[in-house]
Formats: sequence, C-alpha cells, structure tokens
Amino acid sequence: QPALTQPASVSGSPGQSITVSCTGTSSDVGGYNFVSWYQQHPGKAPKLMIYDVNKRPSGISNRFSGSKSGSTASLIISGLQAEDEAEYYCSSFTSTSTYVFGSGTKVTVL
Amino acid sequence: QVQLVESGGGVVQPGGSLRLSCAASRFTFSSYGMHWVRQTPGKGLEWVAFIRYDGSNKYYADSVKGRFTISRDNSKNTLYLQMNSLRPEDTAVYYCAKDRGGGYSHDHWGQGTLVSVSS
Repeated sequence: QPALTQPASVSGSPGQSITVSCTGTSSDVGGYNFVSWYQQHPGKAPKLMIYDVNKRPSGISNRFSGSKSGSTASLIISGLQAEDEAEYYCSSFTSTSTYVFGSGTKVTVL
Repeated sequence: QVQLVESGGGVVQPGGSLRLSCAASRFTFSSYGMHWVRQTPGKGLEWVAFIRYDGSNKYYADSVKGRFTISRDNSKNTLYLQMNSLRPEDTAVYYCAKDRGGGYSHDHWGQGTLVSVSS
C-alpha cells in the first residue's frame, strides 16, 4: 500500500492559518471517513490531533481542524503558534482492513 | 493517564528473530484493539499490525505478512510482536499504540523500542 501523499513542508508566520493536504485513493481516504492526523515533535512519539476526518480528541486545541473532499483530506492549523512546529502525518483506514500513513509534512513557524 | 511501555528491541542479524512486548496500564486493556507502528530512523511512519480486543482477528501490512505475528495476553495486559526472518529494512523504532474506542485511529502511543537488523 503506497503512502498517502503529503507536501514535504509547509510554513507560516505566527497567527496565520496553514493547510496540510493528504491525498490518497478511493480505497482509503476517498472511501472512508476514517482519516486521522498525528503531530510528532523530534524524539517524541506521535500524538493524535484529529480523528474521523474532523473530530478532536479531548484536550486538543480548537485551532486544529480537519476536512475532506473526495480523496484528499486536509489539516488546518489556525492562529499558528511556535509550539505547532513539528512533523504532521495523516493516516487512513483502507479497503483491506489495514492502515496507511502519509509521507509526513514538516510544519515550520517562521 | 494511559501508559504503554515497549521493550525487547535490540540488534539482530538478518534472518534472525526478536519478540517485542508492550506493557499496558491505566486503562482496561482487554477492551481495546492494539496496533504496532514502526518508524525508520529519519523517515515516516508505517503501520505494521492490528489485533482486536479479544485477539479474534489480526491484520498485517504486506511488508511483514508471513514473518511477523501480533498477539496479546489480556491476563497480563501485554501486547506482543514476534518478528521472524528479519531484514535490514525492518530496522526502525517500533511503537505500540492503543486503538481509540470506536476504532480507526491511535489515541495513545508508547515511547518506542529500537530494532536494528544488521550483520
């Protein structure tokens, strides 16, 4: 299962909004509303930020939101803050009852 | 707070075997599915395997199917990954992750254990 396609890097200034895209196929992102997003700081374990396309776990800032159109999902970070600088990965459930992760996006706060 | 602690990583020669463990605490382990996810040094995440809460169903990535076996012991609150016929490309940090209630995402992760396959 090829990895979902994400841009290698996205950057923005503090306070701005940025969008990270995640493109798959009809067998994963396009076929299910089971896309999740993870934040990973260097040397740390991933942290769940968004599940089921647009739901936030308890404790996650409402500055993080998600959406999906067709086979492309998006993570939107509004009011960008220095602590948001990290690697972000999308993930999707697939038609073979497995999971696939995205290639990862480095978010830089300028 | 949910706690997941992996162990068992190390250096192994190509073709060798290793068993990883993940000790779970502070949640009802027997009620949740569990995953193994790996991360090649400096690279991205790769989902490896999933086991249902009662061990009744198991799923694997194509890259490990037939070589790795996921299992669990709910009496010991422990998840396992038996890795056989290891290859250099299996070198990675291996994380265990709890399935979110309702499924389809990983809501808590361990700190990871490093597996290095090298001669």
